[in-house]
Amino acid sequence: DAGVIQSPRHEVTEMGQEVTLRCKPISGHNSLFWYRQTMMRGLELLIYFNNNVPIDDSGMPEDRFSAKMPNASFSTLKIQPSEPRDSAVYFCASSSRTSGTYNEQFFGPGTRLTVL
Amino acid sequence: GNSVTQMEGPVTLSEEAFLTINCTYTATGYPSLFWYVQYPGEGLQLLLKATKADDKGSNKGFEATYRKETTSFHLEKGSVQVSDSAVYFCALSASSGTYKYIFGTGTRLKVLA
Repeated sequence: DAGVIQSPRHEVTEMGQEVTLRCKPISGHNSLFWYRQTMMRGLELLIYFNNNVPIDDSGMPEDRFSAKMPNASFSTLKIQPSEPRDSAVYFCASSSRTSGTYNEQFFGPGTRLTVL
Repeated sequence: GNSVTQMEGPVTLSEEAFLTINCTYTATGYPSLFWYVQYPGEGLQLLLKATKADDKGSNKGFEATYRKETTSFHLEKGSVQVSDSAVYFCALSASSGTYKYIFGTGTRLKVLA
């Protein structure tokens, strides 16, 4: 199994530009999570999907952030316009209800975003 | 609401020392508990888990016991190695099946040769 795949691994952009982060969950998993990690705030859950439907987006910082999951094998997190304070590592994780009574999450390698 | 509290880091130990990283939680019902590890430049990996009271999770020499009476899930290892240097996260998943994890703030461990 290839695990959770994220692209790009690194992104450097200028303030005001649109940024799109991509995630391919593990095949067969029906839950997908987007997290943001910074030194100041630690690991924050931004949004999660269950069966491609957004369930909780209360962690999305503001309207500049949006996430979609058009099908079970792909999700995007978009920031438009980007700001320097968005610089962070963004992780995608997936899990499967069939994995048992607990919901083990499998994390991707992350996308390191730098907004200049 | 649900929450996880971890001991502050960084923790610096000499190789072969005993490790304890404290984790306590607040939750309703019977959550599942996890320890994740993050090595430099990588994503989080599941280290061990426990799904009910008195369960002991173990992996790679690390252990943690689900203590409902003290609402704790402390991580221990008898003899740490330099390769254990990483950030360790305690997390819970509520029993209501909401799929959300509540993560602690992470504890950075540095092991010196």
